[in-house]
Amino acid sequence: AQSVTQLGSHVSVSEGALVLLRCNYSSSVPPYLFWYVQYPNQGLQLLLKYTSAATLVKGINGFEAEFKKSETSFHLTKPSAHMSDAAEYFCAVSGGNNDMRFGAGTRLTVKP
Amino acid sequence: EPEVTQTPSHQVTQMGQEVILRCVPISNHLYFYWYRQILGQKVEFLVSFYNNEISEKSEIFDDQFSVERPDGSNFTLKIRSTKLEDSAMYFCASSEALRGEELFFGSGTQLSVL
Repeated sequence: AQSVTQLGSHVSVSEGALVLLRCNYSSSVPPYLFWYVQYPNQGLQLLLKYTSAATLVKGINGFEAEFKKSETSFHLTKPSAHMSDAAEYFCAVSGGNNDMRFGAGTRLTVKP
Repeated sequence: EPEVTQTPSHQVTQMGQEVILRCVPISNHLYFYWYRQILGQKVEFLVSFYNNEISEKSEIFDDQFSVERPDGSNFTLKIRSTKLEDSAMYFCASSEALRGEELFFGSGTQLSVL
């Protein structure tokens, strides 16, 4: 079975500061890992995904994430936060069999 | 750009009533899912569906829930006798393939059980 743990239900950064959202996974098989973003009153939109190719994955809106097997982590980063990045971010893991599971989410607040 | 569409966007019902939530997945996708998100909580897996049958379901998906693909384009979630705790945002999703493919989500149906 697969699961993810997102550390920090709320993260607040200043505009222009580094964004770091943490995700650790547990999987009995090589995982596929995803980050989704949810803006208010909208569905989930894919930011990026890891599918066993390059360990550093670049996504939309300047986000990237690095797969670290030794740390079972897939943290999401962005060098410089923008006000429009304020949203809920979900890490998800799949073993490849209709089994995508989401973390509890991290709400990102960006202060001017 | 193809998208998953869900109707209605909001549904209000009385406890004990049946509701049907509707979804039109992306046309060439083969795998379909329902998730729900209770206000302020995580996105929870309910059920996955492939080749006209349930592939996997969670412990949440009890006998009160059912899914159907009635006509080759729609994918529905039925709750037979709604409870207060069924109030949540319900998301439909679809994917083209299985391994490593992302899910495409609809905008959700907000279900309120009174």
